[in-house]
Amino acid sequence: DAGITQSPRHKVTETGTPVTLRCHQTENHRYMYWYRQDPGHGLRLIHYSYGVKDTDKGEVSDGYSVSRSKTEDFLLTLESATSSQTSVYFCAISTPSAGNTIYFGEGSWLTVV
Amino acid sequence: QQQVKQSPQSLIVQKGGISIINCAYENTAFDYFPWYQQFPGKGPALLIAIRPDVSEKKEGRFTISFNKSAKQFSLHIMDSQPGDSATYFCAASTAGSGTYKYIFGTGTRLKVLA
Repeated sequence: DAGITQSPRHKVTETGTPVTLRCHQTENHRYMYWYRQDPGHGLRLIHYSYGVKDTDKGEVSDGYSVSRSKTEDFLLTLESATSSQTSVYFCAISTPSAGNTIYFGEGSWLTVV
Repeated sequence: QQQVKQSPQSLIVQKGGISIINCAYENTAFDYFPWYQQFPGKGPALLIAIRPDVSEKKEGRFTISFNKSAKQFSLHIMDSQPGDSATYFCAASTAGSGTYKYIFGTGTRLKVLA
């Protein structure tokens, strides 16, 4: 358990609405990540953060934005949800003291109808 | 060049048998190769990892074999148990800039029959 809490854990939303997923960590990790998991694609990086207000894009960032105003919180926003964004979203952290290891949260299941 | 190709997509093994999952990569800059185990409804959890300076790493019933020249690595689960039934992901990463961005394989769904 890397002290990661994701919310909400499950959400159903309508196409075109904005959605924000929250990742909260309690252990002061510097690096935080958002991944999405889809059948046949494995886990793909959406955005990551290397400090407060320091974020960068991953390989599937279109349609997503992130913010990190505090060390402990990393927010993922779908600005206008589409059906292709129906997925399982995982927040993750890494810390230099644990080498290269990434630790994942429990996931947020998002369905866009 | 950034892809990690994982096979098979699914695998059924009898209890006590050996499960083998393979991964191949192209980017020679990768320097860390972890395997993750994921149970339904849970996040992936680190199972075992290897760096390219060794050819094999063993932890209990789980072994990673690494072939640097072939750019391939594999996970072997000895004496497979029904509790090992899960989805397994290989990954590769480079530690450039201090952020650890992983490239994941597409996953293997393992079912161990009792």
